[in-house]
Amino acid sequence: SAVISQKPSRDICQRGTSLTIQCQVDSQVTMMFWYRQQPGQSLTLIATANQGSEATYESGFVIDKFPISRPNLTFSTLTVSNMSPEDSSIYLCSVTNRAAYEQYFGPGTRLTVT
Amino acid sequence: GNSVTQMEGPVTLSEEAFLTINCTYTATGYPSLFWYVQYPGEGLQLLLKATKADDKGSNKGFEATYRKETTSFHLEKGSVQVSDSAVYFCALSDRGTNAGKSTFGDGTTLTVKP
Repeated sequence: SAVISQKPSRDICQRGTSLTIQCQVDSQVTMMFWYRQQPGQSLTLIATANQGSEATYESGFVIDKFPISRPNLTFSTLTVSNMSPEDSSIYLCSVTNRAAYEQYFGPGTRLTVT
Repeated sequence: GNSVTQMEGPVTLSEEAFLTINCTYTATGYPSLFWYVQYPGEGLQLLLKATKADDKGSNKGFEATYRKETTSFHLEKGSVQVSDSAVYFCALSDRGTNAGKSTFGDGTTLTVKP
């Protein structure tokens, strides 16, 4: 298994500003994932972050809005840019166990945009 | 593409009642199947998994069997406790080019009353 930490755990931000969320893993992993969980809803994959290459974004998500960095095999950041109230969600970082493809999740960052 | 359909909730049961949460999936290959649980205010945790047809995943009294013929992975528990109150997500993970990414169902909220 992997232990994942995220910072901040929660934040309240004003519209038009940006927030960078950090994700730290206790072991080296090839692939890291960023998900969004809107209130009362399921998880939606935003992008896959690979070390040494650009992130791969899912349909409906773009780099200008959600820039991602992956400087090494244990760390990644997701920035939510030019925020609006619709961005209020829980943002989750995860990594995968390639043996069975199960995922391990960080505790999440609860973002509220006012 | 891949998809997961879960029984709609919320589900409310009395303590010691039998629980079934239905889950069916659509996938092009031979995915691994998972149930994740999210307790109030916490992140997602893996509850159980099955990696091939007829496998039974089990943990904490919960069970689910990978049924390829019916493309199902229903979650069951013989006697629920108040502490089982949580949101349960069925998910699948592909082995092909999308290896490592998971597709989640919408989640089912379970409330167990004493």
